[in-house]
Amino acid sequence: AQKVTQAQTEISVVEKEDVTLDCVYETRDTTYYLFWYKQPPSGELVFLIRRNSFDEQNEISGRYSWNFQKSTSSFNFTITASQVVDSAVYFCALSPEDGTASKLTFGTGTRLQVTL
Amino acid sequence: DTGVSQNPRHKITKRGQNVTFRCDPISEHNRLYWYRQTLGQGPEFLTYFQNEAQLEKSRLLSDRFSAERPKGSFSTLEIQRTEQGDSAMYLCASSHRDSLGAWYFGPGTRLTVT
Repeated sequence: AQKVTQAQTEISVVEKEDVTLDCVYETRDTTYYLFWYKQPPSGELVFLIRRNSFDEQNEISGRYSWNFQKSTSSFNFTITASQVVDSAVYFCALSPEDGTASKLTFGTGTRLQVTL
Repeated sequence: DTGVSQNPRHKITKRGQNVTFRCDPISEHNRLYWYRQTLGQGPEFLTYFQNEAQLEKSRLLSDRFSAERPKGSFSTLEIQRTEQGDSAMYLCASSHRDSLGAWYFGPGTRLTVT
């Protein structure tokens, strides 16, 4: 069985602060995909990143960066210089590497509130 | 690209009634997924289609739930004899088969069973 744990239920930061959202996963699969999705107040989940379990390189995209550590089964997400528009619920997700990532198992999400 | 659309956006129904939701995916996407999200929780997998074929169903999808995608385009999710525990946001997503989890989600249909 697959499981994703996001222990931080809610985080509040002031604009321009850096913030890290934690994600810990469990799986018996030797190969798998990890994901982050953003759910803004409008409700539509937005895909942010996919990571293959073979690829442990960290990734940076603008103010976003991701730290994948297979040894600790973690896939953490950092927002640098946070902005009010970053306020949303962020979900980490896991999928077996079945060739098409046909089913995602989501964590319970972390609500990020960025204030001025 | 008009995105994934879902109708209705909100549905209030009395316990025991049947409800049907519709999802229109992005036109060239051959995969369509249904998820359910309750308050404070992450989305939970219900079922998915590749073209018109329903390839997998979750155990969450009891006999009261049925989903169809008759022509491989739009999909419907029907809940019969609704129960209060069915109250949730029902999310639809679509993708190409090879998109590897990079899905496009719709805005969801919020169901309230009174």
